[in-house]
Formats: sequence, structure tokens, C-alpha cells
Amino acid sequence: DTEVTQTPKHLVMGMTNKKSLKCEQHMGHRAMYWYKQKAKKPPELMFVYSYEKLSINESVPSRFSPECPNSSLLNLHLHALQPEDSALYLCASSQATGRYGGYTFGSGTRLTVV
Amino acid sequence: AQSVTQLDSQVPVFEEAPVELRCNYSSSVSVYLFWYVQYPNQGLQLLLKYLSGSTLVESINGFEAEFNKSQTSFHLRKPSVHISDTAEYFCAVSEVPSGSRLTFGEGTQLTVNP
Repeated sequence: DTEVTQTPKHLVMGMTNKKSLKCEQHMGHRAMYWYKQKAKKPPELMFVYSYEKLSINESVPSRFSPECPNSSLLNLHLHALQPEDSALYLCASSQATGRYGGYTFGSGTRLTVV
Repeated sequence: AQSVTQLDSQVPVFEEAPVELRCNYSSSVSVYLFWYVQYPNQGLQLLLKYLSGSTLVESINGFEAEFNKSQTSFHLRKPSVHISDTAEYFCAVSEVPSGSRLTFGEGTQLTVNP
């Protein structure tokens, strides 16, 4: 298995809703990432997990809450989002330091906040 | 910290013509280099990567890129493009050896016309 799987592919949520994005990989990668991508822009790093521990938080608002339950799963919990949070949310994974070979990205979740 | 500059935001070409997408980077440490491709409404796919060794790297679909350390460049080339190559192309770098922070350029929209 050489893929990163993201669900759902599309999500529409209201500003008072709580929802979660899910990311799964079975490549044995020990680093996992969340990126946010607005239209016509490059992806922006949000969070990095290394060996299931949060190692980087790029000053992301608390309405985004990441979780790494185990080495294969990465969640992004969403609460009280704003319309400007509408974007493509990408998950990625990579091998640990010393065996690094680059990132593998999922196909993303297209989020619309109404 | 590192940065990536993609010198052309849009590159229109005719089918079967050669193309070069330019990428320059800046970093105080050694870097890994990547080209990713993004088709409309999809995630990022790794096109090719330079980690070490030969400075000329090739992809399975005819693209190649050459790492030039003295010019801090990693330009992407293809001798003959197809309509299906129309996509957004992102150049990216990450630090050796951790690779924990992938920094993207602003992207180049390649449009191949018949």
C-alpha cells in the first residue's frame, strides 16, 4: 500500500458545526502532516506529527485541533470554523529522519464553510 | 529557513513543444528538492525528487530536472509535452536530514494547447 487515504473527499459545514477530517496510511511512515491549500496558492503547513507526537504547530487557530491516535491515523477536528477556512485540506506522510524519501500526499478534503 | 522561487506563474506552450519550468531556492543548509504536480481538483503527486547522488533525475512520464548547487536551481524540463501535462507544478524543498518542513514555491500553471 503506497497511498495516503483521506475522508471525506468533500465536506460542507456550518459555522456552528463540529466535524472531523480523517487521514490514514499503511506505509510505516512515522511522520504525518496537515496542510491547507487555498485556490491558486501552494499548500501551507499546519501541523506536523512525529512518532505520534505533535512536533510543529504553525500558529494555527484553536478551532483546528489535530489528533494522532496511532502511527497510521491522523485526524483534524474542526469546530466553529469561519467561511475563510474553506479550502482543500491535504494530509501527507513521510518516513522518519535517516530514511527520508519525500512526502506522499493524499487527494485532500475539499471543505466549504457556510 | 529556506525559500523557493518559481520564476514563471504561467507557461503556455503548444503540444509537442519543449518546456522548462524554472525553480530557484535559498537555504542556509543542505536541502532535498522536489517537483509535485497537481491536476484540477486533486491532491499533489510527486513527480521527481533529488535526495543525493546524480544531479539529473528523471520521472517515468518524460520529465527531468537537474540540481545545480552553484546556481541553487532545480529546473524542470520535458522535450515534448502533451495535452495531458496541463496542470499546476510546484517546486519544493526540505532540509537535510529531517525533511520535516516542506516549503513550496508559488506554483507554475502549465497549459498545453493543441
